[in-house]
Amino acid sequence: DGGITQSPKYLFRKEGQNVTLSCEQNLNHDAMYWYRQDPGQGLRLIYYSQIVNDFQKGDIAEGYSVSREKKESFPLTVTSAQKNPTAFYLCASTRSVGVRQPQHFGDGTRLSIL
Amino acid sequence: GNSVTQMEGPVTLSEEAFLTINCTYTATGYPSLFWYVQYPGEGLQLLLKATKADDKGSNKGFEATYRKETTSFHLEKGSVQVSDSAVYFCALSESQTNAGKSTFGDGTTLTVKP
Repeated sequence: DGGITQSPKYLFRKEGQNVTLSCEQNLNHDAMYWYRQDPGQGLRLIYYSQIVNDFQKGDIAEGYSVSREKKESFPLTVTSAQKNPTAFYLCASTRSVGVRQPQHFGDGTRLSIL
Repeated sequence: GNSVTQMEGPVTLSEEAFLTINCTYTATGYPSLFWYVQYPGEGLQLLLKATKADDKGSNKGFEATYRKETTSFHLEKGSVQVSDSAVYFCALSESQTNAGKSTFGDGTTLTVKP
């Protein structure tokens, strides 16, 4: 079955450390997204990518970085510059930009500070 | 810009009660509308969608009708079950000016008691 796989499910970060969250999709979708979800709150867009080797900042990009070297993969790095990284991170994809499609989501990675 | 406003929660109902979660939107173009459901510790799943005015989306006993005149997409279910306890998100996708991104409401937490 096609879908989005996020790993790991739980991740712990030490002070001053960068950590990378994995997101892989086998849906052949063009566009991919990263969201941050804090307890009891909605989704906030961190970064998105419409095609390979291109990505744009979302609403809360500071302290995060991404790459899109392959269509299937869109990893998110939480850098040491992100001072409050504890949250639930969701990756999503959609078939293509320019059509009004729903997004498909992974099961998320929960990041905590040690 | 685009925005989605959802009824504030949390909402607590007894089993077999009638459910309504209100959702209104603002969009610069002609959006598609979606309801997503999120169970604890998981990502969002598409519950239902509607792509044009007066369309009714339905799934698992849930329904919502695209009302262009009132810019609304209220979620309803005639008889809720304990298993419906989750967070519900209203969202829109409007491709013309928004690069295919979706705009999400803040989510409404539903708890159904036996």
